Amino acid sequence: EVQLVESGGGLVQPGGTLRLSCAASGFTFSNYWMHWVRQAPGKGLVWVSRIHLDGSSTNYADSVKGRFTISRDNAKNKVYLQMNSLRAEDTAVYYCARDVFGVPGYWGQGSLVTVSS
Amino acid sequence: QSVLTQPPSASGAPGQRVTISCSGSSSNIGNNRVNWYRQLPGTAPKLLIYNNNDRPSGVPDRFSGSKSDTSASLAISGLQSEDEADYYCAAWDDRLSGVVFGGGTKLTVL
Repeated sequence: EVQLVESGGGLVQPGGTLRLSCAASGFTFSNYWMHWVRQAPGKGLVWVSRIHLDGSSTNYADSVKGRFTISRDNAKNKVYLQMNSLRAEDTAVYYCARDVFGVPGYWGQGSLVTVSS
Repeated sequence: QSVLTQPPSASGAPGQRVTISCSGSSSNIGNNRVNWYRQLPGTAPKLLIYNNNDRPSGVPDRFSGSKSDTSASLAISGLQSEDEADYYCAAWDDRLSGVVFGGGTKLTVL
């Protein structure tokens, strides 16, 4: 069974940094692209970033490009999202997801990030 | 404004069949696979349909997906009260080099 568990969320001031982690199990982690998707309170799903199987390629939404960095450690079966220069509009539940045919498929339970002073 | 267009709401009586549409363009749905998700309040999205019309194991055959040109649809037959949820479509977009989602459809079982 695919299991994804996010951690690292919390309250951070505008301009601050936070690193989210996602621990994967139940599948061969190094065989899949991994995604981060966020959902602001009461809003829809918004894709944030994805990373290639071996970390050699990444893509980002324009809204986070230059501020967020996705990475992975295949030895630890983990994917990360380093978030810098955080803004109020980054407040959301952040989900990591395993790829299924190029699109997020299996999702974690999410980690809440609140950016506020 | 979402890149993929879904109706904001849909409804149906128990036992009925409901269809939710997802409209895109040649750079996303027209050239890539579509996934569908269901999200119950306060929970993470769950994969319902992948690769346009395939169901993961455990998803009932009441749920079906289809795609034609730049549009996709999710059909739910034999509507049940537990089907009340938000439903989203998603696809890769070649022009944006990213995943695009629909704005979501809130399904009400009357």
